[in-house]
Amino acid sequence: ETGVTQTPRHLVMGMTNKKSLKCEQHLGHNAMYWYKQSAKKPLELMFVYSLEERVENNSVPSRFSPECPNSSHLFLHLHTLQPEDSALYLCASSQDLRLAGGPGETQYFGPGTRLLVL
Amino acid sequence: AQKVTQAQTEISVVEKEDVTLDCVYETRDTTYYLFWYKQPPSGELVFLIRRNSFDEQNEISGRYSWNFQKSTSSFNFTITASQVVDSAVYFCALSEAGVYGGSQGNLIFGKGTKLSVKP
Repeated sequence: ETGVTQTPRHLVMGMTNKKSLKCEQHLGHNAMYWYKQSAKKPLELMFVYSLEERVENNSVPSRFSPECPNSSHLFLHLHTLQPEDSALYLCASSQDLRLAGGPGETQYFGPGTRLLVL
Repeated sequence: AQKVTQAQTEISVVEKEDVTLDCVYETRDTTYYLFWYKQPPSGELVFLIRRNSFDEQNEISGRYSWNFQKSTSSFNFTITASQVVDSAVYFCALSEAGVYGGSQGNLIFGKGTKLSVKP
């Protein structure tokens, strides 16, 4: 596989369920990101990891819990979500933010997981 | 404050027409980067171009061209002889150096412009 992959592509869950979204990048990058895309809203950055260390958490509710076990994999653990959490969740990767100069590093995105919370 | 504005919510054209998608940005940093991404119905954001704030040369790639003007803080995208496959949502984004407190490297997206190209 090449680029950035995400599984599952579609997910329906109840508010009491626990599920996880998985992202894998095959680009040799060291930074990974989670974004949320809701209808009629700009893309919202949720979390940033650089060299497996979380460097940004944009005031995301604790019902979203990220995990980055290595530079190629990123997870988003979900529990007790609300219907307003229904959205497209996009993962992205780039060269390391801190080592490669930071701004201007192109982010490459996966196809997203379309989540519906009932 | 950092901001990206894409004033056109939706544009509809007929195949072979030229179309320009507007992007206006706000930043206090002198070092910043601008991007365009394409999001087809499948959902994946496809990277199209990156420009840095010190390079105002326009760029052409096939039917795509970009016009970067610092004087008007604009980074417009033109598709020449549009095709049905160009139908997608297009996002303009800004990444700053973070000198004035913005988060270094974070992409700030506009709301996107939905382009529909009809046969």
